[in-house]
Amino acid sequence: GAVVSQHPSRVICKSGTSVKIECRSLDFQATTMFWYRQFPKQSLMLMATSNEGSKATYEQGVEKDKFLINHASLTLSTLTVTSAHPEDSSFYICSASNRQGGGYGYTFGSGTRLTVV
Amino acid sequence: AQSVAQPEDQVNVAEGNPLTVKCTYSVSGNPYLFWYVQYPNRGLQFLLKYITGDNLVKGSYGFEAEFNKSQTSFHLKKPSALVSDSVLYFCAVRPSTPDSWGKLQFGAGTQVVVTP
Repeated sequence: GAVVSQHPSRVICKSGTSVKIECRSLDFQATTMFWYRQFPKQSLMLMATSNEGSKATYEQGVEKDKFLINHASLTLSTLTVTSAHPEDSSFYICSASNRQGGGYGYTFGSGTRLTVV
Repeated sequence: AQSVAQPEDQVNVAEGNPLTVKCTYSVSGNPYLFWYVQYPNRGLQFLLKYITGDNLVKGSYGFEAEFNKSQTSFHLKKPSALVSDSVLYFCAVRPSTPDSWGKLQFGAGTQVVVTP
């Protein structure tokens, strides 16, 4: 089945540094990927939609200069949290739109726990 | 405005009893509806979806859900709950309108606790 690999699973960084999170579709081409943020005991909040070869579309209230998204190939999207601060600590999850089998499916990565100290 | 509601933060059920996790939605057009589960510190795993056709959808691990257009609901059900069903459940909806860009909107989540 469709698999999305998200890396790293956990990262601790110092305040002011940047962190890159990778999301790869391993066995299918993902023209569209989504990035979510999840706070403890809360739902997933969509941050942005990335389409291969074009600029990401950010949701209202998401700082595009802080959360840089690159979708340079059909199998890889990256989220870079720039100049990270403790309030950026969260669980980040990517998802790829997957139309295998003719259905409208979404495959999720396993998530990245970011802690900014 | 489009929204997804999971009215229960937590559902408690004894092992072997029927399990129901509720979901209602408010979106324009004909929605695509999904159920996912999330294990601690993990991404989401797909359970089932409704796109079109038969209102009763059968999914993984014995779960099923019924799309009810008049009540705008998509409740998840399992006839006999297992302790291993004790995870976090998310209902999600994707509007079928072209400008939705395939974005999913999630409910707040329902924690299921199945006691032996």
